[in-house]
Amino acid sequence: AQSVTQLDSQVPVFEEAPVELRCNYSSSVSVYLFWYVQYPNQGLQLLLKYLSGSTLVKGINGFEAEFNKSQTSFHLRKPSVHISDTAEYFCAVHSGGSNYKLTFGKGTLLTVNP
Amino acid sequence: DAGVIQSPRHEVTEMGQEVTLRCKPISGHNSLFWYRQTMMRGLELLIYFNNNVPIDDSGMPEDRFSAKMPNASFSTLKIQPSEPRDSAVYFCASSTAGGNTEAFFGQGTRLTVV
Repeated sequence: AQSVTQLDSQVPVFEEAPVELRCNYSSSVSVYLFWYVQYPNQGLQLLLKYLSGSTLVKGINGFEAEFNKSQTSFHLRKPSVHISDTAEYFCAVHSGGSNYKLTFGKGTLLTVNP
Repeated sequence: DAGVIQSPRHEVTEMGQEVTLRCKPISGHNSLFWYRQTMMRGLELLIYFNNNVPIDDSGMPEDRFSAKMPNASFSTLKIQPSEPRDSAVYFCASSTAGGNTEAFFGQGTRLTVV
């Protein structure tokens, strides 16, 4: 079975500050990892994904994430946030194979204040 | 492509009534997912289809919930009879085969059962 834990339900930051949203996963097999963003009253859209190769993954809107297999983590970072980054962020894991099930964390609400 | 299209965007119904939510996936995608999002439980996978066949419906909460995919371009999620605790946002998502591909989400249907 696979699971995802997002350690912070809410993260308030000031504009232009750096931010890290934490994600830990558990899976008995190799995984694919994803970060999605949900703006108010919208569906989810993909920020970035890790499939294999380099452990540092760059995504849209200046976000990046680092896969750490030993710590089973996939934390999302941005060096300088904008007001427009205010949204809910979801980490998700997929264990590959013929099972197409994506398991999501409970989400982290990022609020960027002026 | 217009993306994943869900209808209606909002639905208000009385307890005991039948509710049908509709989804048109992106053309060419052969995996389709139904999710439910609530404040308490976050994003839950209800059921997913691959090539129009239900693969895993273990997330369907009760027999009151049923989902169909009669063809590659249409799916429904039905709740009969509806209850106030079914109030949530229901998302449909689609992807191409394989767990390493992005899931594209619709904008959701906000269901309120009074």
